[in-house]
Amino acid sequence: DAGITQSPRHKVTETGTPVTLRCHQTENHRYMYWYRQDPGHGLRLIHYSYGVKDTDKGEVSDGYSVSRSKTEDFLLTLESATSSQTSVYFCAIRREQGTGELFFGEGSRLTVL
Amino acid sequence: AQSVTQPDIHITVSEGASLELRCNYSYGATPYLFWYVQSPGQGLQLLLKYFSGDTLVQGIKGFEAEFKRSQSSFNLRKPSVHWSDAAEYFCAVGAHSGGGADGLTFGKGTHLIIQP
Repeated sequence: DAGITQSPRHKVTETGTPVTLRCHQTENHRYMYWYRQDPGHGLRLIHYSYGVKDTDKGEVSDGYSVSRSKTEDFLLTLESATSSQTSVYFCAIRREQGTGELFFGEGSRLTVL
Repeated sequence: AQSVTQPDIHITVSEGASLELRCNYSYGATPYLFWYVQSPGQGLQLLLKYFSGDTLVQGIKGFEAEFKRSQSSFNLRKPSVHWSDAAEYFCAVGAHSGGGADGLTFGKGTHLIIQP
């Protein structure tokens, strides 16, 4: 258990509304990630962070922004949600002293109507 | 750019039979390789990993995988599957340097169905 909590776990929203997903970790890991999972696509990296206020884009970053104002929280924001952003979103951490594996949260299922 | 190919979208295996899930990767340097399992409605759990040394690695739940550099493959095997092995399986590749922040690149997954 890597102490990762995602909230909300389920959310239904309407097109055009802003949405923020939160990832909270309890072990002060430097590296945090947001992925989305869609059938037929596996997991794709949206954004990642390598420290407070240090973030970078992943493979599918369009339409998403992130913020990390403190070590334990990594926020993913959809400024104006679209139906194509209906997905399951996973947060993950990587331990600095590990061998590169990621540890995942339970996921947040987002439905955009 | 790195990539992972899992050629089989679905695989059906009888309970008690052996299993092999295929994974091919493309990476410009020595990779870290991983297999994850996802049960319905759950997050991803690490099954096993390869980062150096013995090319046959053992994981949890009786799974093993073999790294074959010449074939750019990292196939997952289990000698005898159980009904509880029904799940989605993901192969992933990452940077060997360990110093960067880049995440893992995942394949699209293989859905394993177990027949009684």
